[in-house]
Amino acid sequence: NAGVTQTPKFQVLKTGQSMTLQCAQDMNHNSMYWYRQDPGMGLRLIYYSASEGTTDKGEVPNGYNVSRLNKREFSLRLESAAPSQTSVYFCASSASQRRGPRQETQYFGPGTRLLVL
Amino acid sequence: DQQVKQNSPSLSVQEGRISILNCDYTNSMFDYFLWYKKYPAEGPTFLISISSIKDKNEDGRFTVFLNKSAKHLSLHIVPSQPGDSAVYFCAAKWSNTGKLIFGQGTTLQVKP
Repeated sequence: NAGVTQTPKFQVLKTGQSMTLQCAQDMNHNSMYWYRQDPGMGLRLIYYSASEGTTDKGEVPNGYNVSRLNKREFSLRLESAAPSQTSVYFCASSASQRRGPRQETQYFGPGTRLLVL
Repeated sequence: DQQVKQNSPSLSVQEGRISILNCDYTNSMFDYFLWYKKYPAEGPTFLISISSIKDKNEDGRFTVFLNKSAKHLSLHIVPSQPGDSAVYFCAAKWSNTGKLIFGQGTTLQVKP
């Protein structure tokens, strides 16, 4: 049981290049998320998928696209990378994105460190 | 507009003493609050949570206190251990969407 896995671990891109960050979970979770972590900013939600077949924008979606390929996999694509997208990207999953007074723990992958020159 | 704030970027304490990490929030629509711990080169891991209808939750050495009138929560670690040295993120869950909003994080260093 690997939990949440992310590939690659580290990537260097030139401005304007494109790439896809891969994420997979083996916990049979319905909901998946992409965050970015920047110094002094904490974790900010880029996109999320509450269930298979649905995706929605988070706080900072500009410059990104996502695909919920199946229940296990949720990819993040940068079509034309910019230096402002230099960051550490985390994928997370939870059993479901519960509304109301219920807590649903999110489980995070190890992260992808992206440098855009 | 930062809805969840951790105003102390770092905290240093001696082993065996108490560590107190603080978090403030602005929105009354948050119904759950969570603390995550993050080691370098790893993803955050869930530590402890508290419902907005409670004022305290305890799990071993970790206790979270919630003061709704002040919109403030704190994480107490007693006694602190060197292995507790990490970045701690406070997060709040939106009642209507289930999404989490994270604070900026506080780096805790526990000195032997």
